[in-house]
Amino acid sequence: GENVEQHPSTLSVQEGDSAVIKCTYSDSASNYFPWYKQELGKGPQLIIDIRSNVGEKKDQRIAVTLNKTAKHFSLHITETQPEDSAVYFCAASMRNNNDMRFGAGTRLTVKP
Amino acid sequence: DVKVTQSSRYLVKRTGEKVFLECVQDMDHENMFWYRQDPGLGLRLIYFSYDVKMKEKGDIPEGYSVSREKKERFSLILESASTNQTSMYLCASTRFEQEAFFGQGTRLTVV
Repeated sequence: GENVEQHPSTLSVQEGDSAVIKCTYSDSASNYFPWYKQELGKGPQLIIDIRSNVGEKKDQRIAVTLNKTAKHFSLHITETQPEDSAVYFCAASMRNNNDMRFGAGTRLTVKP
Repeated sequence: DVKVTQSSRYLVKRTGEKVFLECVQDMDHENMFWYRQDPGLGLRLIYFSYDVKMKEKGDIPEGYSVSREKKERFSLILESASTNQTSMYLCASTRFEQEAFFGQGTRLTVV
């Protein structure tokens, strides 16, 4: 099955700085790449996703880039705020999204 | 408001007990998943189901089984609970290439 690797495992930034989290995947057939944010005591929630026919997608302070040739994708958060502090997971899936695999997660801390 | 509901937030069970974790979604989603979340290991897929009575093994199915008798309900079964199954369990549901919705999680402790 698909194998997703995520780096770094922890990331600490100053408020206002940018944060970048990177993921690689193993199966070139994967075609859907979502990112989830998990706050303390809650289940993960989708923040942005990208499909394989698109190289970049942006939503306000959040952007995701996809390099299909290299099989990696990244999450970029600009102008970070303390409420961005959470655990972020990348995921990859194919074939009707019925075998979604996640990375190990990145704990982001934004210091005021 | 879409919802994935897990039957228990916290559970404490004894070694050797049979444990049922229930998950219900109200979005008519075809796909449902059970993940296990452990520090440093992320979300590991235990089982998933893409239709009623259909199931597929994920990456760590040993010691677990599942049941999907109705589209909205996906149950995870620990046939004989062991201490190494102490973990946070997350249920999720999705439609084709749409976002996954997660339940709030069940923190299971096996003593």
